[in-house]
Order: sequence, then structure tokens, then C-alpha cells
Amino acid sequence: QVQLVESGGGLVKPGGSLRLSCAASGFIFRDYYMSWIRQAPGKGLEWVSYFSSTGSSIYYADSVKGRFTISRDNAQNSLYLQMNRLRAEDTAVYYCARGAPGSGPPFDYWGQGTLVTVSS
Amino acid sequence: IQMTQSPSALSASVGDRVNITCRASQSISTWLAWYQQYPGKAPKVLIYEASSLESGVPSRFSGSGSGPEFTLTISSLQPDDIATYYCQQYHSFPWTFGQGTKVEIK
Repeated sequence: QVQLVESGGGLVKPGGSLRLSCAASGFIFRDYYMSWIRQAPGKGLEWVSYFSSTGSSIYYADSVKGRFTISRDNAQNSLYLQMNRLRAEDTAVYYCARGAPGSGPPFDYWGQGTLVTVSS
Repeated sequence: IQMTQSPSALSASVGDRVNITCRASQSISTWLAWYQQYPGKAPKVLIYEASSLESGVPSRFSGSGSGPEFTLTISSLQPDDIATYYCQQYHSFPWTFGQGTKVEIK
């Protein structure tokens, strides 16, 4: 069965860095595009970043552009999010999600999320 | 592209028909999805391409609309439908979500 498991969240000081990981299993990882979506405590959903299945397209939300870097390792079936220069407003649960190019919804499976807290 | 959902919250009785509206700030054709989220859980997709029902989702959920205005309909509200619902456009980056609609039982 499809599984996405995020890890790497935690407490970090403003200006600090954190690297999130998303381990995928139960499907052919290289055939799917992947995204990070976040949700601040008590707030709505915010799409953060996208990495195409072919590796030819990467996109970021304006709120994280220049500070966050998305990457993937198809050999390891893993997605990553390197987060630098973290701010208090980056505090959120971070989800990874997959989508199939050309068909179906943009996020058909989600992980359980990992909490990032930015505070001094 | 800004996505505006209405209402932000609603209260209805079991068995009621419930409509949630989502309006895009520009045309997105039918590149719209709806998600259901329970507190403390990851969202789950209900509808994609505005009106396609995701596999395994109960048929009481349906989606309609195109261009700027869309509707998620729950034909007969059930206790298990108490959740927050989000629309999301994937016509162009940055992908954006509506602010959410919290559905409660009256």
C-alpha cells in the first residue's frame, strides 16, 4: 500500500535550518511528482513546493522562495525539503504528498505530517 | 490565483443537503480539487478536475462548476462528514487553497 512518512521536524531557533525527509513506499516513486504542503497551527493549508517526476520542473511558494530547497532521490524513494533562514511564521505541520502526471488529483496520498516549530 | 471559499463555517442537520462554494480570482478551467480534513489528520482528496469523484469516496459527495466558480455538494449530511473542507486550484503555480469551510452538525 502507498505510504509516505515524513521525518526531521522539531524545534529550531529563528534563522536556523532544518531538513525534512519523506520516505515513500508502495508505488513507483519516480513516476510521480511530489509536493510539500504545510499547515500552521489552527490555520489552513498552504502549498510550499513541487518537484516534477522528470526533475525538469521545480516550483516554490513566494513565502519560501530563496530559503527552502526541494530535492528528491529516486534511488532512495525519498523527497527532501531543506529549510534555511527559518522564521516564526514557518511554524507548521509539513506534509508531503504525491500526484500522478496527466491524471488524477494533485495530492492523492499524503503523509501524516511532521511538526516544525520555530521559536527562540 | 486567490481561492475564496464560502461560507467559512456552517451548521446543518443530519440528512441535509450542504453546498460549499469556491471562487477563483481568475479562470482555472476545471483544475480544481476538494479535500476533507479531520482535526489532527492529513487531508484526503474527495474530488478532482472539479467533478471527478476520487475512488472510494462516498457518492453523496459531488463537485460541479468551471471557470471561476465551483461547488462541493454533500447530498445527505452524515455524522462522519463533520470536518473542514478545502478547495485547491492546480491550474497554475503557485498552487493555492481556499481558506477552508468547517462543517458542524446542528
